[in-house]
Amino acid sequence: DAGVIQSPRHEVTEMGQEVTLRCKPISGHNSLFWYRQTMMRGLELLIYFNNNVPIDDSGMPEDRFSAKMPNASFSTLKIQPSEPRDSAVYFCASSLWDRAEKLFFGSGTQLSVL
Amino acid sequence: GESVGLHLPTLSVQEGDNSIINCAYSNSASDYFIWYKQESGKGPQFIIDIRSNMDKRQGQRVTVLLNKTVKHLSLQIAATQPGDSAVYFCAEKWAQKLVFGQGTRLTINP
Repeated sequence: DAGVIQSPRHEVTEMGQEVTLRCKPISGHNSLFWYRQTMMRGLELLIYFNNNVPIDDSGMPEDRFSAKMPNASFSTLKIQPSEPRDSAVYFCASSLWDRAEKLFFGSGTQLSVL
Repeated sequence: GESVGLHLPTLSVQEGDNSIINCAYSNSASDYFIWYKQESGKGPQFIIDIRSNMDKRQGQRVTVLLNKTVKHLSLQIAATQPGDSAVYFCAEKWAQKLVFGQGTRLTINP
């Protein structure tokens, strides 16, 4: 298996623009997690899905952030409008529901909002 | 995990020595405690976990110790190698969510 695949690898955008981050989880995994990593706040859980259904979005910072999982093999995290403080590395991770302690992370998307 | 700030705690060890990385956790209701390794430019990678009803678990060159009395978790790496250079995160699992600590940077001196 290729592992969790995220795209793009790097994204540079201007404040106010819409940003869409994409994730393909490992085939057979039924849980998907979006994390954000910054030096100041470390790794923060934004939202997670089980069987394509959002279970907990309490970590989503504002209404500007939204996430979808239309099917078992694809998820998106959208920021609209983007702000400089959204600059971070965004990770997607997947797991089996009953082994959520063992997350498989993608390589991340480095987002820079100018 | 704890500590907030711009600078990660750093542990420097000599190649071949044993490394011990420590972590304090906060939630007594967590059912699993886990260690992840993050190399530069990559996502975190699972190393080893321990259930809350255990106090020690061993893997290949790694041992995790859990002290619930003082809410302390440690990762021991035997015979540290250059490939062990990374940031190590402890995490606790509660209600299907992993909460990560701030991390410790491990550097290996030749």
